[in-house]
Amino acid sequence: QQKVQQSPESLTVSEGAMASLNCTFSDGTSNNFRWYRQHSAKGLEVLVSIFSDGEKEEGRFTAHLNRANLHVSLHIREPQPSDSAVYLCAVSGYNQGKLIFGQGTKLSIKP
Amino acid sequence: DAAVTQKPRYLIKMKGQEAEMKCIPEKGHTAVFWYQQKQSKELKFLIYFQNQQPLDQIDMVKERFSAVCPSSSLCSLGIRTCEAEDSALYLCSSSQGTGGVGAETLYFGSGTRLTVL
Repeated sequence: QQKVQQSPESLTVSEGAMASLNCTFSDGTSNNFRWYRQHSAKGLEVLVSIFSDGEKEEGRFTAHLNRANLHVSLHIREPQPSDSAVYLCAVSGYNQGKLIFGQGTKLSIKP
Repeated sequence: DAAVTQKPRYLIKMKGQEAEMKCIPEKGHTAVFWYQQKQSKELKFLIYFQNQQPLDQIDMVKERFSAVCPSSSLCSLGIRTCEAEDSALYLCSSSQGTGGVGAETLYFGSGTRLTVL
């Protein structure tokens, strides 16, 4: 059974400083990784998807995947107060319909 | 605005009552997923439809829920007898569902917040 763990549980950074979030997963055959953002228990907004080891950039959001270490991270460049939200890591395997989510990291950006 | 539409936004039921919530997937999407989120905690997978057929679901859904997708443009999730533990945000999502569903991006609706008193 896939386990997805995120750290830290909460994070506060100053506006303009880099924010880094971590996610570990248990199933080494997983090949589908996504980062979502959720504002105030509303719907989820997809930020970046990554399927192979290395780096994937979408605007100010960059995901790094290292499947050997069972680790995927999200880095937010020049965060703004409007980026304050819960960030969710989601993982699935090939041809598996469902995503398994981590418990989230609550990110707060100080002006 | 989310391309996946969910109704109602809020639902209040008494313990023992039946509840129903609806989802309109993004046009052209053939895969539909339902997730449950309690008190802003992690999303829990409930059930997955591909071309209106249920392909995967957890035991709780089999036992106490009713979920159908009578058409490609409408799905519903029901709870036969609400319990206090069912209070949660129910999120519907859809994807194109082609070329290996795991590779497709899920797009989420804003959710239905169910409160069971």
